[in-house]
Amino acid sequence: EDQVTQSPEALRLQEGESSSLNCSYTVSGLRGLFWYRQDPGKGPEFLFTLYSAGEEKEKERLKATLTKKESFLHITAPKPEDSATYLCAVQDLLTSGSRLTFGEGTQLTVNP
Amino acid sequence: DSGVTQTPKHLITATGQRVTLRCSPRSGDLSVYWYQQSLDQGLQFLIQYYNGEERAKGNILERFSAQQFPDLHSELNLSSLELGDSALYFCASSSSTGELFFGEGSRLTVL
Repeated sequence: EDQVTQSPEALRLQEGESSSLNCSYTVSGLRGLFWYRQDPGKGPEFLFTLYSAGEEKEKERLKATLTKKESFLHITAPKPEDSATYLCAVQDLLTSGSRLTFGEGTQLTVNP
Repeated sequence: DSGVTQTPKHLITATGQRVTLRCSPRSGDLSVYWYQQSLDQGLQFLIQYYNGEERAKGNILERFSAQQFPDLHSELNLSSLELGDSALYFCASSSSTGELFFGEGSRLTVL
C-alpha cells in the first residue's frame, strides 16, 4: 500500500526565513510525485510534478526536489501570502487508475 | 480557477438523509475523481471514473455511490448519512500528464 508521510505537521516562519518541508513516500513504482498548496476551505492547487530522482522544479519562491525515498519543498525568503497547507502526493505505476495518495500536509504560517 | 466546477458549495442536512453532489470536469478531461477531506484525516480517495466507466475504487462506503454521465459530469450520492460523514468532498479531473485539478469542494454538514 502506498504511503506518504509529511513533516513537520506545522511550521511557523518569520517573513524572509527560508526552510524546507519534507515528504517521505513508499510506492511500488513511482509514476509521479506531486506538490499542492491548499488554502483553508479551498481545493488543492497544483504546484509541481516530479517524475524521477534528481529532478528539480521551481516556481517563484518554491523549489521541489526528489530522491528515491523523499521529496523536499524548499521555501526561500517566504512571504505571509505563502501561508497555506502544502500537500504531497504520489501516483503509483502499479495501482489501477491514476489516483493520487496524499500525505496529511504541512501547515505553514509565515509571520510578517 | 481550476476549471472544475462543484455544486453545491455548502450543504446542511440531517442524519439518515440522502444528498447528491455534482461535479463538472475541466473541458477535455475524461477522468473524474472524488476525494473526502475531514478534519482528522487528509484527502481520502473515494472513486475514479474515466469516460463513463468506473476505473478505480478507494475507501468508499457502501452507502456512497457515484456515476459519470455521457456529458462527463459526475455525481456523488451519499445516503443514510451519519454525523461522521460531515466533511469536504472534492472532485478533481486529470490532464493527460497525470496532474489532478481540484474543484472548490462541497462542504457537507450532517446534524
